[in-house]
Amino acid sequence: EAGVTQSPTHLIKTRGQQATLRCSPISGHTSVYWYQQALGLGLQFLLWYDEGEERNRGNFPPRFSGRQFPNYSSELNVNALELEDSALYLCASSSARHRDEQYFGPGTRLTVT
Amino acid sequence: SQQGEEDPQALSIQEGENATMNCSYKTSINNLQWYRQNSGRGLVHLILIRSNEREKHSGRLRVTLDTSKKSSSLLITASRAADTASYFCATRAGYSTLTFGKGTMLLVSP
Repeated sequence: EAGVTQSPTHLIKTRGQQATLRCSPISGHTSVYWYQQALGLGLQFLLWYDEGEERNRGNFPPRFSGRQFPNYSSELNVNALELEDSALYLCASSSARHRDEQYFGPGTRLTVT
Repeated sequence: SQQGEEDPQALSIQEGENATMNCSYKTSINNLQWYRQNSGRGLVHLILIRSNEREKHSGRLRVTLDTSKKSSSLLITASRAADTASYFCATRAGYSTLTFGKGTMLLVSP
């Protein structure tokens, strides 16, 4: 069974640009979670999608947005990139029945210059 | 804000020794989980302990939970070099999503 996949592995953008990160959950999982892991700050919860709907949102500005597609894959969009957005972005998925057990992808390393 | 806070921030031990990491949290929880992260990669789920449980074992891992003190500990027995990683605790309260601590970096030297 394939795990959670994320693309791209690395992304380098310039301040002010927009970035799109993608995540494919484990087959059968309907929930997708996005986290930001910046140096020294631990994991910060960004967004939770379930069955195509945004269920919860962390304390991030509106320029962080996303969506979940009918096949449960998800995109995270970051507009007007700032230097402080440089971080590892982790996606996780879970099933509806075992929402507490999240399976993580390898992450996308975003660098904003 | 962080719900869980791991202690210590970093721990360095020799192979074969035991490693103990602690996690404290602030609010009532449904459950507490421990995850491992190898050098900036994805997290791997290790173990989940529910709020009505006090101790749980999984292989060389032992987790305790003290809800009165709002704390948990993760013990890794007979550590190996492959255990070198960062370890995070995560809590869930109510219908909320998981909240992670900043992690403990464990270095196991051969």
